[in-house]
Amino acid sequence: GAVVSQHPSRVICKSGTSVKIECRSLDFQATTMFWYRQFPKQSLMLMATSNEGSKATYEQGVEKDKFLINHASLTLSTLTVTSAHPEDSSFYICSARITTGNSPLHFGNGTRLTVT
Amino acid sequence: AQTVTQSQPEMSVQEAETVTLSCTYDTSESDYYLFWYKQPPSRQMILVIRQEAYKQQNATENRFSVNFQKAAKSFSLKISDSQLGDAAMYFCAYRTSNTGNQFYFGTGTSLTVIP
Repeated sequence: GAVVSQHPSRVICKSGTSVKIECRSLDFQATTMFWYRQFPKQSLMLMATSNEGSKATYEQGVEKDKFLINHASLTLSTLTVTSAHPEDSSFYICSARITTGNSPLHFGNGTRLTVT
Repeated sequence: AQTVTQSQPEMSVQEAETVTLSCTYDTSESDYYLFWYKQPPSRQMILVIRQEAYKQQNATENRFSVNFQKAAKSFSLKISDSQLGDAAMYFCAYRTSNTGNQFYFGTGTSLTVIP
């Protein structure tokens, strides 16, 4: 149980275009999902906390107008990278947890974004 | 954001031997959760072990165990009888107990298992 599906796994886009990444909890409801960014051989940097039915909470230094997050249902959160630039190229990972006690984060397989 | 520090960027261990990965964290909270995650080359994050801060007993999962020292804010991972499949990046993670329940990750330790 507790499967998180992320799509697409890889995407290449041109500078200036927008890209949407989907994150779905397949067998549980997730009122909260988290979006991380990971540079090569580096740690996971928390970008934002996605809250179902309300605005996302962004970490300091993350541009909310560039990284649009929508959490319209209890099983789906989307991250849209707007007006993408080459420096946005990275590995993006979504995660969610069952909201009980010490339950861990369950991760999607990640999306490798390349902006040309 | 909470600070999680892993002071060993790289570690290696002989197959069947034991290795310990270090993790320290900075917090003013008294209630929180700690985790170790493994990230193999596939980049899929896999939970290894978890620890509740209010529990004094160290968590154990088969060959994996932790040494949780709350006063020292230390949370090390011991891998016994290391196997080739243990080779991966290992991340220590801290989960806050506030409303957001955010997870913060350390910088990672790359573990190599030598046959």
